[in-house]
Amino acid sequence: EAQVTQNPRYLITVTGKKLTVTCSQNMNHEYMSWYRQDPGLGLRQIYYSMNVEVTDKGDVPEGYKVSRKEKRNFPLILESPSPNQTSLYFCASSTKGGGGKYGYTFGSGTRLTVV
Amino acid sequence: KQEVTQIPAALSVPEGENLVLNCSFTDSAIYNLQWFRQDPGKGLTSLLLIQSSQREQTSGRLNASLDKSSGRSTLYIAASQPGDSATYLCAVREGGGTSYGKLTFGQGTILTVHP
Repeated sequence: EAQVTQNPRYLITVTGKKLTVTCSQNMNHEYMSWYRQDPGLGLRQIYYSMNVEVTDKGDVPEGYKVSRKEKRNFPLILESPSPNQTSLYFCASSTKGGGGKYGYTFGSGTRLTVV
Repeated sequence: KQEVTQIPAALSVPEGENLVLNCSFTDSAIYNLQWFRQDPGKGLTSLLLIQSSQREQTSGRLNASLDKSSGRSTLYIAASQPGDSATYLCAVREGGGTSYGKLTFGQGTILTVHP
């Protein structure tokens, strides 16, 4: 089944403790991206990657890092999490052109709470 | 900067009614437009994808139209059912430049279909 898999689904952590949210897709997509969703602010792009070893900042990159060493994986790293990073996070992927039948495919989300 | 607006913010209808959700965007230089459904606390499920060269797409009881020149899209849901209750999100994929591939989301329309 074509899918984007995020782990973990839920995470509670303490301020300052480094964490990684993993994202993997099995569709051979070139383009991957991370979004966060907050009440009243909607979905905002954090980082994106156009291909292996090619990443760039989105609208809200502060406090996050990413890497793209393999085509299928795009982990999101919070080096020193703070309470304002409490949010619902989504990973998404698409073909480079963004066309085809399905456009973007999203993961199921990771609900992160930083205390 | 691309801005996406969805109207109405919330909609409550009786079962069986046909309804229209509206989406408008400020920059018509889009690559495509995608409608998603999101259940509370869950991920995004793609409903329909319309390429910039297309006028409409249909899937079952759903029909989405796109008027790129006027910056508008509508999602038509026929014969609504309680299972259609969810938040509906409109997202535009930008076409080029530094925003290549980025999805910009509207705030969503919360739909409630009551029996």
